[in-house]
Amino acid sequence: AQSVTQPDIHITVSEGASLELRCNYSYGATPYLFWYVQSPGQGLQLLLKYFSGDTLVQGIKGFEAEFKRSQSSFNLRKPSVHWSDAAEYFCAVGGKGAQKLVFGQGTRLTINP
Amino acid sequence: NAGVTQTPKFQVLKTGQSMTLQCAQDMNHEYMSWYRQDPGMGLRLIHYSVGAGITDQGEVPNGYNVSRSTTEDFPLRLLSAAPSQTSVYFCASSYGQAESDTQYFGPGTRLTVL
Repeated sequence: AQSVTQPDIHITVSEGASLELRCNYSYGATPYLFWYVQSPGQGLQLLLKYFSGDTLVQGIKGFEAEFKRSQSSFNLRKPSVHWSDAAEYFCAVGGKGAQKLVFGQGTRLTINP
Repeated sequence: NAGVTQTPKFQVLKTGQSMTLQCAQDMNHEYMSWYRQDPGMGLRLIHYSVGAGITDQGEVPNGYNVSRSTTEDFPLRLLSAAPSQTSVYFCASSYGQAESDTQYFGPGTRLTVL
């Protein structure tokens, strides 16, 4: 069965520190992987996606993610976080055409000033 | 483009009442879907549609009906609301065909069932 695991429910980092959010997936076919961000009371905004090619993908707001097929992982990174990055982050996997996305439980990011 | 729009933004129902959550998109997307978001559980797929006249069940379809009479609209119906359906509901859409496709999400409807 398809599933996504985000092992960290809540992460706190200091402003300016580096960030890595973990995502592991299980998917029976070619995975199409996504990271979304959700600010409180808002909808979901796409940060980045992987569908083929270079396994290191760049996204908006300075985020990047690396697809590691051997580890079934798609971890999200940012070299230096800003207070405005405080939000909830969701990893998702789906089929071609971004169909039938399966989401992880989410990781809530808090930024210390 | 307005993108994906949802109405209403907030709704309070009593147990047993029915209602329809509206979703519309103006991007000519074939694929549309409904998710519910509950604390600690991420988003779970309720129903989806790959085009007008075609719908299918997702992970948590019980208690919900959908139809797709036009490409633009994909309403979600609760026939007899239950407290377990208290949640935030998101509609999403995409072209649904290419490897590079992305699902775009609406702003959500917060539903409370008393």
